[in-house]
Amino acid sequence: EAGVAQSPRYKIIEKRQSVAFWCNPISGHATLYWYQQILGQGPKLLIQFQNNGVVDDSQLPKDRFSAERLKGVDSTLKIQPAKLEDSAVYLCASSGGNNEQFFGPGTRLTVL
Amino acid sequence: AQSVTQLDSHVSVSEGTPVLLRCNYSSSYSPSLFWYVQHPNKGLQLLLKYTSAATLVKGINGFEAEFKKSETSFHLTKPSAHMSDAAEYFCVVSDGGAGKSTFGDGTTLTVKP
Repeated sequence: EAGVAQSPRYKIIEKRQSVAFWCNPISGHATLYWYQQILGQGPKLLIQFQNNGVVDDSQLPKDRFSAERLKGVDSTLKIQPAKLEDSAVYLCASSGGNNEQFFGPGTRLTVL
Repeated sequence: AQSVTQLDSHVSVSEGTPVLLRCNYSSSYSPSLFWYVQHPNKGLQLLLKYTSAATLVKGINGFEAEFKKSETSFHLTKPSAHMSDAAEYFCVVSDGGAGKSTFGDGTTLTVKP
């Protein structure tokens, strides 16, 4: 079975620019998560989808971050405009319903 | 509300000696608990999980963890460390309903030859 796919793997942008990340979950997984992992810290949940609906986005900085999962399959996470403190690894995970999450390789974002 | 505290940010052991990584949790629900491992420049991999069945859980690569409700702990152990065990380890608590997961800040395990 194919795992969670993410792209790009690396991205370098300047502050105030925009960036988008893409995630394709494991086939059939209804739940999709986006996490932010700052160097030296554990992953922090940004947003959780159940199919194409948002379950939890309480920690998403909505003034600059947005995410969508229009067809209940793949998802995009956007940052506009980026700040220096957004430098992190952005992880996507999916789950088939037993709370066990499968993680993608992540996108490492560097904001200069 | 739920939270996870990993009591040691760094643990260093010699190859062949036991490993103990400590985790305490807080949850309003009957939680599911997980340990994940993250090797450098690699994705998070599930080591083991507790979901209200047996309190002693066995995982991959010889790791196991014991759920102790009275102590709100879920410590990770391995009898004999191997060099390949050097990595970052995360304890995760998840509520039984919406599946919201909270990660600890991680423990870096170093294995000395």
